[in-house]
Amino acid sequence: DSGVTQTPKHLITATGQRVTLRCSPRSGDLSVYWYQQSLDQGLQFLIQYYNGEERAKGNILERFSAQQFPDLHSELNLSSLELGDSALYFCASSVVGSGGVYNEQFFGPGTRLTVL
Amino acid sequence: AQSVTQLDSHVSVSEGTPVLLRCNYSSSYSPSLFWYVQHPNKGLQLLLKYTSAATLVKGINGFEAEFKKSETSFHLTKPSAHMSDAAEYFCVVSESSNTGKLIFGQGTTLQVKP
Repeated sequence: DSGVTQTPKHLITATGQRVTLRCSPRSGDLSVYWYQQSLDQGLQFLIQYYNGEERAKGNILERFSAQQFPDLHSELNLSSLELGDSALYFCASSVVGSGGVYNEQFFGPGTRLTVL
Repeated sequence: AQSVTQLDSHVSVSEGTPVLLRCNYSSSYSPSLFWYVQHPNKGLQLLLKYTSAATLVKGINGFEAEFKKSETSFHLTKPSAHMSDAAEYFCVVSESSNTGKLIFGQGTTLQVKP
């Protein structure tokens, strides 16, 4: 158990809908990261928050947004869903907000999103 | 830009035989490298990380990786495979910047035959 929790585990929805994925980081970790894992794109970084502020953006679509709350949990909002958004979405957390050898990230179990 | 390339998408070994999963990296300076493992329907778990303190890095479950700057490689090895080692393995580089973005290789599926 990494100490990172994600809800829900599975989500099935229809095209055009909006969903919210939730993540609670490990106790003491200030950084939260979101990654998308799909068969064709592999594991891709979406966005990073550090202590409530957006720190970095990756290949995140404009239809997607995220935020980190004062208690450090994070939500990833996906809207106007398309079939291609079906994927496994991981949240990770780390103590530091920067790169390098101390950037050890702990991953949650993921949320499997299926868009029908 | 930093990147990692995993040279094999699929590796099959027999139980009790050595494991070698290959990874090459591209970086203009000293990289921060990791190996993560993903078991079926599970999240990712850190196996080991390169901290520049030693070129041979020991991880969990008997895995090791050797950093070779001259070859820009960070291959993962284990002397004797166990059935429970069957999983997806990712070679990862951390951008040495003010962000914590991880860049993942495409992954190598390790199959262990009895």
